[in-house]
Amino acid sequence: LAKTTQPISMDSYEGQEVNITCSHNNIATNDYITWYQQFPSQGPRFIIQGYKTKVTNEVASLFIPADRKSSTLSLPRVSLSDTAVYYCLVNDYKLSFGAGTTVTVRA
Amino acid sequence: EPEVTQTPSHQVTQMGQEVILRCVPISNHLYFYWYRQILGQKVEFLVSFYNNEISEKSEIFDDQFSVERPDGSNFTLKIRSTKLEDSAMYFCASSEAQGSGAEAFFGQGTRLTVV
Repeated sequence: LAKTTQPISMDSYEGQEVNITCSHNNIATNDYITWYQQFPSQGPRFIIQGYKTKVTNEVASLFIPADRKSSTLSLPRVSLSDTAVYYCLVNDYKLSFGAGTTVTVRA
Repeated sequence: EPEVTQTPSHQVTQMGQEVILRCVPISNHLYFYWYRQILGQKVEFLVSFYNNEISEKSEIFDDQFSVERPDGSNFTLKIRSTKLEDSAMYFCASSEAQGSGAEAFFGQGTRLTVV
């Protein structure tokens, strides 16, 4: 299983863009990159998934360079309600969550 | 939107008692999971279940724990002889497929407090 590394925490202000980079150096050819979000006292929630280049949905964008050894989750114009823990997972059939990145959005 | 539902939302039990946590996965999903999260810590995988049997379990999932899909809709986690350190949020999840690219849906969790 590909090991992932992401920052422990990030601070931001309302209206700013937040970019979280996840490293996954030993990603396999057929692995997808998946991001989950967890609010306090709630279960994790799938937010976006990609294989290469760029994926965008109503919540976030995911940028994956050609070598796929890293990926960047981009949250545009964050609000206070985006304060959460964000997890990067790579081909983990049992979904092993690491510590994730705690994003704190301030007014 | 379909969702995974868990009951109860909060359970308080005495140390040494047995508890059963219940989950109703999304109806067309085939893979089921239990996780726990001790307060302030990461989400820990306990067990995955497919085709009426355990497909994977972690070292946390010892003889104290068992899972069952008793009636084709519910998915339960039983904890025998609870200990203080079993106090945690327990999350159930389900997915249509497994492996890279599969999306898992999580319930809102059951907060278990052992006193």
